[in-house]
Amino acid sequence: GAVVSQHPSRVICKSGTSVKIECRSLDFQATTMFWYRQFPKQSLMLMATSNEGSKATYEQGVEKDKFLINHASLTLSTLTVTSAHPEDSSFYICSAHKGGGDRVPNYGYTFGSGTRLTVV
Amino acid sequence: AQTVTQSQPEMSVQEAETVTLSCTYDTSESDYYLFWYKQPPSRQMILVIRQEAYKQQNATENRFSVNFQKAAKSFSLKISDSQLGDAAMYFCAYRKSGGGNKLTFGTGTQLKVEL
Repeated sequence: GAVVSQHPSRVICKSGTSVKIECRSLDFQATTMFWYRQFPKQSLMLMATSNEGSKATYEQGVEKDKFLINHASLTLSTLTVTSAHPEDSSFYICSAHKGGGDRVPNYGYTFGSGTRLTVV
Repeated sequence: AQTVTQSQPEMSVQEAETVTLSCTYDTSESDYYLFWYKQPPSRQMILVIRQEAYKQQNATENRFSVNFQKAAKSFSLKISDSQLGDAAMYFCAYRKSGGGNKLTFGTGTQLKVEL
């Protein structure tokens, strides 16, 4: 089945530094990647949608210059939190879409295992 | 804009009993998909079941089944013979038809399974 690898699983960084989170689709080509943020005991909030080779589309209220998303290949998308601050501490989850349309067998949205970011 | 509402922040069920989690949604689309995801303490999102809006038959997956009422825009999840491993946060989600469209999640229901 479709597997998405997300790294790192946990990261602690100092305030003002940048952190990169990687999301790889291991056995399929991901035409679209989604990046979510989840606060404790809350729902997943979509931050941005990225399609391979094009600029990401950010949700309202998400700072594109702070959360840089790169989707340079069909198997890799990265989220870079720039100049991180304690309020950026959260759980970040990626989700990859296999493509091929809804009616294709085994289409789907596969989630990574998430990254817990702590900014100190 | 599409919205998904889960009105039960927490639910409890005795082991081996049945529990139903509620979900309602709002959309002007006619072709869409509905999902239930499970998020255990590991926080890995696991797809439990999905329903295509164009199908009248309710989806089932082993102990999990849904009651899809399209006119009422209701999509509840029934868990039969509850097990300790079912304890998790459950999210209802909506996506309009078309590959690459985003998922909209509800606020979640924390399910506790008691001995």
